[in-house]
Parts: sequence; structure tokens; C-alpha cells
Amino acid sequence: EAQVTQNPRYLITVTGKKLTVTCSQNMNHEYMSWYRQDPGLGLRQIYYSMNVEVTDKGDVPEGYKVSRKEKRNFPLILESPSPNQTSLYFCASSAPGHSNTEAFFGQGTRLTVV
Amino acid sequence: AQSVTQLDSQVPVFEEAPVELRCNYSSSVSVYLFWYVQYPNQGLQLLLKYLSGSTLVKGINGFEAEFNKSQTSFHLRKPSVHISDTAEYFCAVTYTGGFKTIFGAGTRLFVKA
Repeated sequence: EAQVTQNPRYLITVTGKKLTVTCSQNMNHEYMSWYRQDPGLGLRQIYYSMNVEVTDKGDVPEGYKVSRKEKRNFPLILESPSPNQTSLYFCASSAPGHSNTEAFFGQGTRLTVV
Repeated sequence: AQSVTQLDSQVPVFEEAPVELRCNYSSSVSVYLFWYVQYPNQGLQLLLKYLSGSTLVKGINGFEAEFNKSQTSFHLRKPSVHISDTAEYFCAVTYTGGFKTIFGAGTRLFVKA
């Protein structure tokens, strides 16, 4: 089954404690991205990756890092989380340039930073 | 700057009534257009998409959308909604030749009995 898997689904952490949210896709997609969803703001892109070892900033990259060492994995790293990073996070993958250019989303990670 | 505007943040509607969720995007260059639905505590899933061809696109669950290039709009419609259609709906645009997808702020559809 084609899917994007995020872990964990829920996470409560304290300010400053480094954390990683994992994302894995099994569709051999080149393009992966991270979004955060906040009420009234929709989805805002944090980082994206067009292929292995190719990443770039989205609209709200401050406070986040990513890496793309393998095609299937695209972890999101918060080196020093702060309360304003409390949000719902989604990982997505797609294959731009092909006929099926829609994004496939993970189930989301609800992060609370206290 | 490229942008997507969903004109209504919330749309309450009675069951079996028709509904239209509005979406406008900036720029006149070629685009791919999408509507996604998000049910409570779930990720987004594709409802329908426009890539090219016929401007009227049919999707899952009885939804359809019409691409209007002159008005840069892609409104979503359903002739008769059900309680189970209660969800948040997102319009999204990908500009051809680019990789970035821009999402609207979302429209929360409430279907009342």
C-alpha cells in the first residue's frame, strides 16, 4: 500500500530538548516536504527536498532542520524547540513532472512544546 | 507573490443542501489545481485535481470543481451534502515547471442535520 508514515503521532516535550520527527515514503517519490498546520493559516511549508542530498527552505524554516540521506526518508529536526513550534506537522511526498502530481500526506504529528 | 485564497473560512450548511467552497489563485501562468480534504485527526487526502483538458473535474464522494482560467478560480461544489462531509477542505496550486505547492488557509465545512 502506498503510504507516507510519520512518527510519532503525538509528542509533548520541553523547551530546548532536541527532537526528531521521522517521515518515510514507499512510493519512490523524488519530492518530499514538511508543513506545519496552524488554525487560520492553513499549511505552511517548512522545508522541501527535490531529491537525495537536495533540500531547501520553505516559507517558515526558522528553528527547523532536515536531511535527505535516502530517497525514502526525510526527518524533521528541532534542535531547540520553543513553545511557538507547538503545531500539527505533516510530511508529504510527490513526483512532480509526472501525471500524478498530487501530494501524499502522512497522518500528522501533533507536537506540544511546554 | 503567488498565493491561494479561500474566500470562506467556515461554511455551515444543512444536510442535503448544495454547497460551494470558493478558491482563487494568483498568477496567469499554467497551473495544476487540487482540492484536498482533511477529516478530524487525519492527514490530507486528495479529493480531485485539474491538470489539463476539461475544465469540469469530478472527484470522490460526489464533489466536482470547475477551473476558470480567466477568473483564476477553482471552486468546489457538491449538489447535496451529507453529515459525513463535515471536514476541512484545502485548495492547492502547483505552478507548472516548479515544485512548490501553495495551499490556501482552508475552509471548514459544517453539515448540520
